[in-house]
Amino acid sequence: DQQVKQNSPSLSVQEGRISILNCDYTNSMFDYFLWYKKYPAEGPTFLISISSIKDKNEDGRFTVFLNKSAKHLSLHIVPSQPGDSAVYFCAASALGGATNKLIFGTGTLLAVQP
Amino acid sequence: EAQVTQNPRYLITVTGKKLTVTCSQNMNHEYMSWYRQDPGLGLRQIYYSMNVEVTDKGDVPEGYKVSRKEKRNFPLILESPSPNQTSLYFCASSWDPAYEQYFGPGTRLTVT
Repeated sequence: DQQVKQNSPSLSVQEGRISILNCDYTNSMFDYFLWYKKYPAEGPTFLISISSIKDKNEDGRFTVFLNKSAKHLSLHIVPSQPGDSAVYFCAASALGGATNKLIFGTGTLLAVQP
Repeated sequence: EAQVTQNPRYLITVTGKKLTVTCSQNMNHEYMSWYRQDPGLGLRQIYYSMNVEVTDKGDVPEGYKVSRKEKRNFPLILESPSPNQTSLYFCASSWDPAYEQYFGPGTRLTVT
């Protein structure tokens, strides 16, 4: 059972436009969410996170939005740059919960066209 | 520089030949974990360790072993590799398993 889902395997965006990557989760115990970015031949690197006590967290060009009632989060990249082309994984955890680990989605490949 | 290192980065082997992938971190993290990444399946946890001499199974532990004799090292052992273990493997470490984890560069394993 996939508890964290990224339903779009790929996304193509023009440089300068907004990229929106989506993630859905099923476990209502999740209260901490992260986005990772992965380039080919490298390990995933942490990008941004959000706690369930917030509905938005911003870091430069990257903003994560959390909709707890819909069990949905999204990552907005504005403006998109060619260097943003990578696979993006969302992940979730239940702080202090029984499942003491990160649960990852399947990833979305973002291609930013020059 | 804070980092997680893995060796080797690439490995081609044959069915049944025991192999070890090493993982080391220099951040004094207590928590370490191994993942495999497969197309369409994302990152799945193989084994994890909460501290020295404390290890436990993740979601896909069959065919793998680990050990944690020192805080910095967490090797992944395949006693008898099979073709279905062909995958991209990542080691990660963290001060808390539910928070940000730092990943190594990955080991691409091919078992023929």
